[in-house]
Amino acid sequence: GENVEQHPSTLSVQEGDSAVIKCTYSDSASNYFPWYKQELGKRPQLIIDIRSNVGEKKDQRIAVTLNKTAKHFSLHITETQPEDSAVYFCAARGPGTALIFGKGTTLSVSS
Amino acid sequence: DTAVSQTPKYLVTQMGNDKSIKCEQNLGHDTMYWYKQDSKKFLKIMFSYNNKELIINETVPNRFSPKSPDKAHLNLHINSLELGDSAVYFCASSGREFGEKLFFGSGTQLSVL
Repeated sequence: GENVEQHPSTLSVQEGDSAVIKCTYSDSASNYFPWYKQELGKRPQLIIDIRSNVGEKKDQRIAVTLNKTAKHFSLHITETQPEDSAVYFCAARGPGTALIFGKGTTLSVSS
Repeated sequence: DTAVSQTPKYLVTQMGNDKSIKCEQNLGHDTMYWYKQDSKKFLKIMFSYNNKELIINETVPNRFSPKSPDKAHLNLHINSLELGDSAVYFCASSGREFGEKLFFGSGTQLSVL
C-alpha cells in the first residue's frame, strides 16, 4: 500500500520568511495530493491540492509542486504570518483507495 | 449547518466498556471514512464505506465495528475499550462532485481510563 514520508517534523520561522515542507510517496499509481492544515483542537482543513497531471499550483501565499518521476511533492508558504502556525499534513491517494497521510509538520511562526 | 457532524465531541469511559460514535454528512457524498489521530498527531485510516458497502478495512482490531445504515451515516462501535484506544476519531466524507476532496468532521476525543 501507499506510504507517505513528510519532513521536517517541526519547522520554526520568523514572520515574513518562507516555509517549505516536503513529502515523498511510494505508490506510483497515486494521482491526488492534498495538503491539510490543522489548528490546535480543530479538524484538518484542506488548504490546497494537486493532481498528477499538473506540476505546480498556486493560491495566494501557498503553492504546491509535484515531481511524479521522483515521487516528491512540496508545500511552499511565502510571507508567513503568525496565523500560519499549525500542523500541516501532506497526503496521497491512488484510484479506489483512501487518503494516506504523512506524519505532519508543526510550523511555528514567530513575530 | 455543519457538512460532516459527529457526536459526541468528548467521550470519557472506563476500560472494558462499549461505546459508539455517530457520524452524519449532508453533502450527498458516496464515501465515508473513519480516521484515528493518536497523541503524536498521526492520522491513520481505519475504515472506508462507499454507498453503505465496506471497501477499506485497515489493520484494526475486530473490537471496532463500523456500521453504515445509509450513505449519509457511518457509525463506529467499539467493544471492550482499552487504554490504547484513547485518541481523537475523525469521521470524513468525499464525493466525485467535489473532486474526491476529503471533508472532516469535528472529531471525537475518546479518553479511556
